[in-house]
Amino acid sequence: GENVEQHPSTLSVQEGDSAVIKCTYSDSASNYFPWYKQELGKGPQLIIDIRSNVGEKKDQRIAVTLNKTAKHFSLHITETQPEDSAVYFCAAFTGTASKLTFGTGTRLQVTL
Amino acid sequence: DTEVTQTPKHLVMGMTNKKSLKCEQHMGHRAMYWYKQKAKKPPELMFVYSYEKLSINESVPSRFSPECPNSSLLNLHLHALQPEDSALYLCASKIRDNQETQYFGPGTRLLVL
Repeated sequence: GENVEQHPSTLSVQEGDSAVIKCTYSDSASNYFPWYKQELGKGPQLIIDIRSNVGEKKDQRIAVTLNKTAKHFSLHITETQPEDSAVYFCAAFTGTASKLTFGTGTRLQVTL
Repeated sequence: DTEVTQTPKHLVMGMTNKKSLKCEQHMGHRAMYWYKQKAKKPPELMFVYSYEKLSINESVPSRFSPECPNSSLLNLHLHALQPEDSALYLCASKIRDNQETQYFGPGTRLLVL
């Protein structure tokens, strides 16, 4: 089955700096890669996603890149703000198995 | 509107109690999911309903009993739980099980005493 590794497990940045979270997946059949943000006491919120036929996608301060050959994808947050502090999960979806496999999560802290 | 609602937000129950968690969505999604999430861990899939039929049970103990009365509603009935079942229970939905984009509800924080 699919295995998703996520690094780093914790990340502390100063407000205004950029943050990068990286994930690797194992199943070449995976074709959809969402990123979820989970604030304390809340459910995961979909913030951006990318499909396997696209290399990069951007939405304001958030971007995701995908390297299918290397089987890795990354989340980039620019101009970080305190409200970006949360746990971020990457995931990989394998259509043939209809299953979403999550990474282990990254706790991002944005300090003033 | 991509809203999945869950009630209650918090639940405390004893090991002999029977309680139910409720999940609702009005997006016309035909696939609904229950996940369990322990602290500092990713969500773990428990059950999948597709077109109101149970399609996946990830070897969940029988003290958890899911029910899908209609296409908008998903319940999780709890009976004789153990303290280690304390967790955040998340509901999610998507248009169909083989489609990609999945939306989560806010979760029910369960404490078993």
